[in-house]
Amino acid sequence: KQEVTQIPAALSVPEGENLVLNCSFTDSAIYNLQWFRQDPGKGLTSLLLIQSSQREQTSGRLNASLDKSSGRSTLYIAASQPGDSATYLCAVRPDAGNKLTFGGGTRVLVKP
Amino acid sequence: NAGVMQNPRHLVRRRGQEARLRCSPMKGHSHVYWYRQLPEEGLKFMVYLQKENIIDESGMPKERFSAEFPKEGPSILRIQQVVRGDSAAYFCASSQRPGQDLASGIYEQFFGPGTRLTVL
Repeated sequence: KQEVTQIPAALSVPEGENLVLNCSFTDSAIYNLQWFRQDPGKGLTSLLLIQSSQREQTSGRLNASLDKSSGRSTLYIAASQPGDSATYLCAVRPDAGNKLTFGGGTRVLVKP
Repeated sequence: NAGVMQNPRHLVRRRGQEARLRCSPMKGHSHVYWYRQLPEEGLKFMVYLQKENIIDESGMPKERFSAEFPKEGPSILRIQQVVRGDSAAYFCASSQRPGQDLASGIYEQFFGPGTRLTVL
């Protein structure tokens, strides 16, 4: 059974600092991994999707890496801004099947 | 192209009543997924449907919960005789036909804004 863990559960940084969010998964038989952002009381916004054959994806200040064999992904957010404050979720889709397994999320606070 | 639509956005029910949550997938999407986010917990998969078929309901509670995705109209998640423990945010996602090979595309799941169910 796939388990996804995100560490830390919460993170507080001053504005301008780089953010590093970690995601680990127990079963490496994944099709892809996705990072989402969730604001309080809101839905999920997809940030980056990495196929299992890829090592990383970049979008603006965001960069996500994937090490499938070791079951890890890292989301980097450069030069953080107060608007980056949110909960960040990672989710994996298995090779067989389509349901996503989510981590518990990392709650980020960027202080001005 | 509108995104995934869910309604109502907020739903309040008393214990024992029924709750009906609706999800309209993105245009061109024929696959729908329901996830539940309990307070202070992560999102958990409930059920995966395509038109008129339940593909995977391994995450659905055994009693009181049912889901459908008819040929016409939105997908419905139905909770009978709600209890306080059903209070949660229910998210729907949709995708095109999921492909297992890269050549057929990624078929990413796109999420709706959620329905927040409160059971009094």
